[in-house]
Amino acid sequence: ILNVEQSPQSLHVQEGDSTNFTCSFPSSNFYALHWYRWETAKSPEALFVMTLNGDEKKKGRISATLNTKEGYSYLYIKGSQPEDSATYLCASDPETSGSRLTFGEGTQLTVNP
Amino acid sequence: NAGVTQTPKFRILKIGQSMTLQCTQDMNHNYMYWYRQDPGMGLKLIYYSVGAGITDKGEVPNGYNVSRSTTEDFPLRLELAAPSQTSVYFCASSYSRGLAGGTDTQYFGPGTRLTVL
Repeated sequence: ILNVEQSPQSLHVQEGDSTNFTCSFPSSNFYALHWYRWETAKSPEALFVMTLNGDEKKKGRISATLNTKEGYSYLYIKGSQPEDSATYLCASDPETSGSRLTFGEGTQLTVNP
Repeated sequence: NAGVTQTPKFRILKIGQSMTLQCTQDMNHNYMYWYRQDPGMGLKLIYYSVGAGITDKGEVPNGYNVSRSTTEDFPLRLELAAPSQTSVYFCASSYSRGLAGGTDTQYFGPGTRLTVL
């Protein structure tokens, strides 16, 4: 994988559903993987920065896992709420990037009440 | 602590006009970035800076210029506006890796929505 790819592109779930989406990134030259939450008409806000293979991070109902060997990360939302509706971006931070992130196009989540 | 601020919030330009998008951060971050976000697309890096006096091109630098005379400010200049530059522009800043415990979370400004007609 040369670029950062996210799937699905969009997702509609009902309130209370649990959901997950995927970020694939180049596994070579890995340094860190970032997740951001981006609400409509606002600016992206950091959720997690993950650096270690097997890492799992949690913030409330949102958690993320990381597999650096195969180059993927999963973001999970347990018991989705309407306020979780946003675009979730992941970004690859390679070792030699000088802190330049390569963003995926995001997964747009809509949680219906 | 205001974080990252951007002005203006909205702007309409005519083809060929020029303008400067302002970005200021008060977190003493070394690194600053300019991104553009087009509909249905992710964030594309235009220019970035690792410190005052140092700037470098990102993925889509054509048609833009930057300067970094102070740690706080990182203005983006459009010299001859073109319709292809219609976009939402985000400025961001971060610590360098060595100063933040190994992470370099980027903090984003509220964005500038630019339309070129």
